[in-house]
Amino acid sequence: QQPVQSPQAVILREGEDAVINCSSSKALYSVHWYRQKHGEAPVFLMILLKGGEQKGHEKISASFNEKKQQSSLYLTASQLSYSGTYFCGTVYSGGGADGLTFGKGTHLIIQP
Amino acid sequence: DTEVTQTPKHLVMGMTNKKSLKCEQHMGHRAMYWYKQKAKKPPELMFVYSYEKLSINESVPSRFSPECPNSSLLNLHLHALQPEDSALYLCASSQARQGRGTEAFFGQGTRLTVV
Repeated sequence: QQPVQSPQAVILREGEDAVINCSSSKALYSVHWYRQKHGEAPVFLMILLKGGEQKGHEKISASFNEKKQQSSLYLTASQLSYSGTYFCGTVYSGGGADGLTFGKGTHLIIQP
Repeated sequence: DTEVTQTPKHLVMGMTNKKSLKCEQHMGHRAMYWYKQKAKKPPELMFVYSYEKLSINESVPSRFSPECPNSSLLNLHLHALQPEDSALYLCASSQARQGRGTEAFFGQGTRLTVV
């Protein structure tokens, strides 16, 4: 089952902040965040694991609410380079599954 | 070196052709993946190899046949494809399985067009 991302699209001015949300109806083991620019490969941003462990880029912050099965990605003081499509990918608890189920993505446009 | 290399970058093939996509990584990763991405859609998992053994086949049609000759290489053999199989095919690798909470590195993809 695909996680649900919101919003679908965001337009910001350079320097503004944004929050992208990802929610699941199934219990999650981990949430993975990626950014993909047009015509390029998805680039890893952050992993958040059940139990609180997380790792990722220093300038990116995110949270994982295990009770609500929700994750949020926080983009602060946005730069033009932040533009792209952000995907959350999920691994479900107890499924023994490998590989990610991605949400539909959030399109982020940063304007000067 | 955090690079996953995919060849070719572009491929046009007829419905009766047989072709192969190749993926290579030299990061010592033991898990490798094939994803399919249609335009303006998220990547969809097709196959997972862990320690060179196929661990997941997400009900992918048999016209797609994966192969993992060694821990650094991953192939996707294509045969009798349909026009709706046209997409970007992404390869990824990770230190361990993504279910263990490790990040995956994606290649640039092969843009496949079936005519």
